[in-house]
Amino acid sequence: NAGVMQNPRHLVRRRGQEARLRCSPMKGHSHVYWYRQLPEEGLKFMVYLQKENIIDESGMPKERFSAEFPKEGPSILRIQQVVRGDSAAYFCASSPVQGATNEKLFFGSGTQLSVL
Amino acid sequence: EDQVTQSPEALRLQEGESSSLNCSYTVSGLRGLFWYRQDPGKGPEFLFTLYSAGEEKEKERLKATLTKKESFLHITAPKPEDSATYLCAVRGPGNTPLVFGKGTRLSVIA
Repeated sequence: NAGVMQNPRHLVRRRGQEARLRCSPMKGHSHVYWYRQLPEEGLKFMVYLQKENIIDESGMPKERFSAEFPKEGPSILRIQQVVRGDSAAYFCASSPVQGATNEKLFFGSGTQLSVL
Repeated sequence: EDQVTQSPEALRLQEGESSSLNCSYTVSGLRGLFWYRQDPGKGPEFLFTLYSAGEEKEKERLKATLTKKESFLHITAPKPEDSATYLCAVRGPGNTPLVFGKGTRLSVIA
């Protein structure tokens, strides 16, 4: 009964490098959400995906950021040409069904991205 | 735009000193109000979901209540292990994602 698995837990990148963050949802969950958390700030929604589909990317910057959730394998949040302002904790959450009134999100432990 | 405001930002209590955390929200067509607990270095952990005004939920020393404009998380006789950041979130209609407040950082001193 593994929960939402994120890796790596910590990721250090230099400015201009690429960052890849991985998320494996809970077993049986087909909906994945990515959130970003800055110190003293709340969780900010970035993107919502189902298998092979991006449902809502309204919270994701148009440039340098992309996300995918392939038919097989984990969801990936990719940040190209990272800048210092990208330093934050990135959390993935999953849910089994979208639209159910009792839908709640199960969160992973996050990836702390540090850009030098 | 859906908005969630939590107060206070930080709260320091003595062990056994009961108190309440507030979550004020603005959302058109509330589909659910959620409370989460977050420990340092970890992801949020689900506590409660409330759906309609007047609803209450309890779990150990925690009790959540909901009105049409706000929710309260009451903590009765807290213990040091209740120290954490408590997050409130709302879900609006359709496919809208959860919108979170900034949280209340609770410290319970023995």
